[in-house]
Amino acid sequence: AQSVTQPDIHITVSEGASLELRCNYSYGATPYLFWYVQSPGQGLQLLLKYFSGDTLVQGIKGFEAEFKRSQSSFNLRKPSVHWSDAAEYFCAVGAGLTGANNLFFGTGTRLTVIP
Amino acid sequence: SAVISQKPSRDICQRGTSLTIQCQVDSQVTMMFWYRQQPGQSLTLIATANQGSEATYESGFVIDKFPISRPNLTFSTLTVSNMSPEDSSIYLCSVAALMNTEAFFGQGTRLTVV
Repeated sequence: AQSVTQPDIHITVSEGASLELRCNYSYGATPYLFWYVQSPGQGLQLLLKYFSGDTLVQGIKGFEAEFKRSQSSFNLRKPSVHWSDAAEYFCAVGAGLTGANNLFFGTGTRLTVIP
Repeated sequence: SAVISQKPSRDICQRGTSLTIQCQVDSQVTMMFWYRQQPGQSLTLIATANQGSEATYESGFVIDKFPISRPNLTFSTLTVSNMSPEDSSIYLCSVAALMNTEAFFGQGTRLTVV
């Protein structure tokens, strides 16, 4: 069965500092992996996705993530955090044929950005 | 991309009543899903809404509690029946086109049952 673990419930970083959010997954086949961001009162917005190919994927808002099969990880990174990045971040694995359906989500990491 | 409109955006309901949530998409999509996000929790897939046939429910969710309709390719409803405080959650509609690798989400419906 597929599952996603985000070990950090809450992270606080200073504006301008670098950021790494951890995500580990369990899936029996080649995974489709996603990072979504949820701002307060908003729906989920896709930051980036990995299906195949280059293991380092670039997303919107300056985010990137690296797929490491040996570690079953898909960590999200950003070199310099902005105050507007404060939000809830969810890692997800897609179990459907196209990867976009039947998403299994991690429990999320809440990011706080301090001046 | 797809623009998804969910109604209502929030509601406070009495226990024992039912609430129907609507999801409207601005383009025809193949796949529509309903998720639940309980307070402080992650998202859990409730069911896949199938056009013209019964929805496909995930383990732990049943049609009597969460009846779903999908009369066409752009519209779906989720009803939360005989509500209890444990049903207080955010309910989100999600859509994806077949062979598309991205799922789009609505802004959700925040339900509070008192």
